[in-house]
Amino acid sequence: QVQLQESGPGLVKTWETLSLTCTVSGGSISGYYWSWIRQPPGKGLEWIGHMYYSGSTTYNPSLESRTTISADTSRNQFSLKLTSVTTADTAVYYCARGPYASGRYYILRFDPLGQGILVTVSS
Amino acid sequence: QSVLTQPPSVSAAPGQKVTISCSGSSSNIGDNFVSWYQQLPGAAPKLLIYENNNRPSGIPDRFSGSKSGTSATLGITGLQTGDEADYYCGTWDSSLSVGVFGGGTKLTVL
Repeated sequence: QVQLQESGPGLVKTWETLSLTCTVSGGSISGYYWSWIRQPPGKGLEWIGHMYYSGSTTYNPSLESRTTISADTSRNQFSLKLTSVTTADTAVYYCARGPYASGRYYILRFDPLGQGILVTVSS
Repeated sequence: QSVLTQPPSVSAAPGQKVTISCSGSSSNIGDNFVSWYQQLPGAAPKLLIYENNNRPSGIPDRFSGSKSGTSATLGITGLQTGDEADYYCGTWDSSLSVGVFGGGTKLTVL
């Protein structure tokens, strides 16, 4: 079955760029949407954004100006870049398959999710 | 503050039934499908219910979902200690053009 694995630095300095990669195994990224979701310590889930494998993207408006999600189909990977990070960006970051398109909107079905990676932002 | 409202906690005894509510608005739950996720302690969220009331392969039928108007409900019967977890609802918000989650509900099996 499809498995996802996040990778990247666990510590990022304030005002620098957070960069994470999600490697997809057991299936192709082609034909699906792929998302990033984060969870600050002790808090709930926040949708960051998603991309279609061909490159179109949709971002959370609250993070849009700092977010880029892109794919490398040759490596079966997709990535997240979040610029100008602050301590408020400290969180566990999950990559996930989904959502699914439904007309003009999306069906927010994420399955599977990766195990998550804790990224701490500190000066 | 989350767009979707869930009770912070619920509890019930082993073998009993519990329901977890998720309240939204016409632009999110009222207009889109709802999914539910289970997050066991220290683990990643796992999809429990999708498109309001469908279970992925491998999810027991003790778990059920429903939706009415701008609210959704997760039901769990035959509670087990292994069901102790945080549960999140999620959906798309058509007006905000954003994926939204509830704040999560901590289930305690007494």
